[in-house]
Amino acid sequence: GENVEQHPSTLSVQEGDSAVIKCTYSDSASNYFPWYKQELGKRPQLIIDIRSNVGEKKDQRIAVTLNKTAKHFSLHITETQPEDSAVYFCAASNRQGAQKLVFGQGTRLTINP
Amino acid sequence: DAGITQSPRYKITETGRQVTLMCHQTWSHSYMFWYRQDLGHGLRLIYYSAAADITDKGEVPDGYVVSRSKTENFPLTLESATRSQTSVYFCASSDGGRGEQYFGPGTRLTVT
Repeated sequence: GENVEQHPSTLSVQEGDSAVIKCTYSDSASNYFPWYKQELGKRPQLIIDIRSNVGEKKDQRIAVTLNKTAKHFSLHITETQPEDSAVYFCAASNRQGAQKLVFGQGTRLTINP
Repeated sequence: DAGITQSPRYKITETGRQVTLMCHQTWSHSYMFWYRQDLGHGLRLIYYSAAADITDKGEVPDGYVVSRSKTENFPLTLESATRSQTSVYFCASSDGGRGEQYFGPGTRLTVT
C-alpha cells in the first residue's frame, strides 16, 4: 500500500521568510496530492492540492510542486505570517475508487514575530 | 463547515465499554471516512464507505465496527474500548468528484 513520509516534523521560521515542507510517496499509481492545514484544536482543512498531470500550482502565498519521477511533492509558503502557524499534513491517493487518503505524519510550523 | 457534524465532541469511557461515535453530513456526499489522530502518526484511516451499505477497512480497523444504513450517517463503534483507542477521531466526507475531503470537528475520546 501507499506510504507517505513528511519532513521536517517541526519548522520554525521568522515572519516574512519562506517555509518549505517536503513529502515523499511510494505508490506510483497515486495521482492526487492535497495539503491540509490544522490549527490548534481545529479540524484539518484543505489549503491546496495538485494532480499528477500538473507540476506546480500556486494560490497567492502558497504553492505546491510535484516531481512524479522522484515521487516527491513540496509545499512552499512565502512571506509567512503569524496566522500560518499550524500543523500541515500532506497526503496522497489514487483517485480511482474510494479515493482513500494516506497522510504524512505532519509538520508543526511556527512563525516567529 | 456546519455540513458535517460529530457527536459527542468529548467522551470519557472505561476499558471494556462499548461506545459509538456519530457522524452526520448534510451534503449527500457519497464517500465518508473515519480517521484517528495520534501524535507522531498523523491521520490514519480506520474505515471508509463509498455509499450506503458499502463499507471497507482502512489502515487501522481492528477493534472498530462501522455501518452506513443512510447516506448522511456513518457511526463508528468501539465494541470493547481499550486504552490504546484513546485518540481524537475525525469523520470526513467527499463527493468523489474533485477529491477534497471535508472534516468534521472531531471527537476527543479518552479510555480509562
